[in-house]
Amino acid sequence: DQQVKQNSPSLSVQEGRISILNCDYTNSMFDYFLWYKKYPAEGPTLLISISSIKDKNEDGRFTVFLNKSAKHLSLHIVPSQPGDSAVYFCAARGAQKLVFGQGTRLTINP
Amino acid sequence: EAQVTQNPRYLITVTGKKLTVTCSQNMNHEYMSWYRQDPGLGLRQIYYSMNVEVTDKGDVPEGYKVSRKEKRNFPLILESPSPNQTSLYFCASTQTGGIQPQHFGDGTRLSIL
Repeated sequence: DQQVKQNSPSLSVQEGRISILNCDYTNSMFDYFLWYKKYPAEGPTLLISISSIKDKNEDGRFTVFLNKSAKHLSLHIVPSQPGDSAVYFCAARGAQKLVFGQGTRLTINP
Repeated sequence: EAQVTQNPRYLITVTGKKLTVTCSQNMNHEYMSWYRQDPGLGLRQIYYSMNVEVTDKGDVPEGYKVSRKEKRNFPLILESPSPNQTSLYFCASTQTGGIQPQHFGDGTRLSIL
């Protein structure tokens, strides 16, 4: 029973274009959502987050959108840069723990 | 520097040989947890601890034990490892009650032969 799903295992985007990563969840009790970025041989690091009472949060090149009615979360990166190549995990907070999606490997091509 | 330190980073061992992965954080955080990362499954929580002497099962606790005798340390114990526990393990910590992100260690890659 996967409560948080990232249906795209991989995504390839041209440098300078927009990258859009998607995440769906099933539990309407989640109150906080996060995107983590992970490089090889390192632990995940927090990229951006959003409370369930908001529908958008922006931080520089990164914007997270939350559509509660659709139970859908997306991360927009614009413009995409080579250093953005990594695995991205979305996560949702509920009941004192985080539930993670499967991850999406983003590759930015020069 | 705020950090979560895991040891060892890599370990190859055999079925049934008890092992411990240590985790230590220097941020005085109350909440600590262990995750395993497997291809196609993302990060799944094994155990978590909300404070000293308070631990609880996560989503995949079978075959694992933990202890929390001190606030800074949260070791993961595999009493009788099996090949299906071959995985990449992450320890994380966060301040309970806030919305601060979890801080992760750099991971421990375990191979059980």
